[in-house]
Amino acid sequence: DAKTTQPPSMDCAEGRAANLPCNHSTISGNEYVYWYRQIHSQGPQYIIHGLKNNETNEMASLIITEDRKSSTLILPHATLRDTAVYYCIVRVLDGNTPLVFGKGTRLSVIA
Amino acid sequence: DTGVSQDPRHKITKRGQNVTFRCDPISEHNRLYWYRQTLGQGPEFLTYFQNEAQLEKSRLLSDRFSAERPKGSFSTLEIQRTEQGDSAMYLCASSRIPQGKEAFFGQGTRLTVV
Repeated sequence: DAKTTQPPSMDCAEGRAANLPCNHSTISGNEYVYWYRQIHSQGPQYIIHGLKNNETNEMASLIITEDRKSSTLILPHATLRDTAVYYCIVRVLDGNTPLVFGKGTRLSVIA
Repeated sequence: DTGVSQDPRHKITKRGQNVTFRCDPISEHNRLYWYRQTLGQGPEFLTYFQNEAQLEKSRLLSDRFSAERPKGSFSTLEIQRTEQGDSAMYLCASSRIPQGKEAFFGQGTRLTVV
């Protein structure tokens, strides 16, 4: 079963920052937080991952709370193409644990 | 494009027929995963391979399902005696262990059993 809790849906105005929350209160010390997204009719796409420090790449920023029980994915300037289902996943980085997806958050970016 | 390739993209079959899907992972990726996704749900893990060895199978993988990766490159997923409940998107993903941290997914094969 998924170890994360996400809101089922969110809206965001185009050009504004989209902040997607995720609760993972039972996260273990060796588990990373991963984010994937799935645009309609496509396979999931990796976005970013982190352990305890905040991370940023060309797609997004990941903010993990100090107690690591929750995190926020930030899309700084959302576009219509960011409309997708966003999945927050916790997993051990040992190469032996497959990704376990929950239902994710359906983000709708509105013009 | 050197991403994960799945074939066919769509398959319609009659109940009771056998179907086979193919997945070509990214070159040199030693880990290959199969997932199933039904409408409104996240992908569900089915099985994965390390090179040609099948290392884990989910309880979702009934005895009608079989997966192979004979030479450690492409993989096939066969469903025998299909049922309407098998209708879903079947996704393949690959990664490189230990260097890679993320998995790359294909576009999926959408199966409809009528």
